[in-house]
Amino acid sequence: QSALTQPASVSGSPGQSITISCTGTSSDIGSYNYVSWYQQHPGKAPKLMIYDVSNRPSGVSNRFSGSKSGNTASLTISGLQAEDEADYYCSSYTSSGSWVFGGGTEVTVL
Amino acid sequence: EVQLLESGGGLVQPGGSLRLSCAASGFTFSTYAMSWVRQAPGKGLEWVSAFTGSGSSTYYADSVKGRFTISRDKSKDTLYLQVNSLRAEDTAVYYCASFVSGYYYYGMDVWGQGTTVTVSS
Repeated sequence: QSALTQPASVSGSPGQSITISCTGTSSDIGSYNYVSWYQQHPGKAPKLMIYDVSNRPSGVSNRFSGSKSGNTASLTISGLQAEDEADYYCSSYTSSGSWVFGGGTEVTVL
Repeated sequence: EVQLLESGGGLVQPGGSLRLSCAASGFTFSTYAMSWVRQAPGKGLEWVSAFTGSGSSTYYADSVKGRFTISRDKSKDTLYLQVNSLRAEDTAVYYCASFVSGYYYYGMDVWGQGTTVTVSS
């Protein structure tokens, strides 16, 4: 159950697009389309932004999109806004029936 | 309104035990997949344990296997996490969460506010 690999930080200017990568293995991301992404602001509970690789829950802005290729999933935030500044975590179902999170990516809006 | 409310955290000595509770409301708790996720101070999220839904299979992270036990009382709409043989590295905020539409393979869309466990002598 090794953690998925995410970049520690990503930054962008308002209005720009950024992409956060999440690399796993053939035992998790590579074998299942059960990848989800969470946004967490300081002191708050996580918020689901994407599930099943690319599905957005009701109420989540369409500026957020997800994709997957091989063992790597990605979250793209387009039209970056100040309110998007937060920590983002990917998560994947694994072949052992468990879930695993990434180490988290701090998004900074310049 | 769908809601999860955790309780039961506190300060405990190494080797001690606690039972964390998560009271659910606003959805059919008995059939939903549920999970516990923790976050150590200043660290990332760590998945801890889960029920898969009405089938009620349970899974645990390797780091807690044999020490933690997940259970639920359907009559009380409450999820539990019994945490035994606590170590300093178990210090964290513990969140309970439910899965989208109760399906274990979707993401976790409803989260509680968390309950804090501190393991220290």
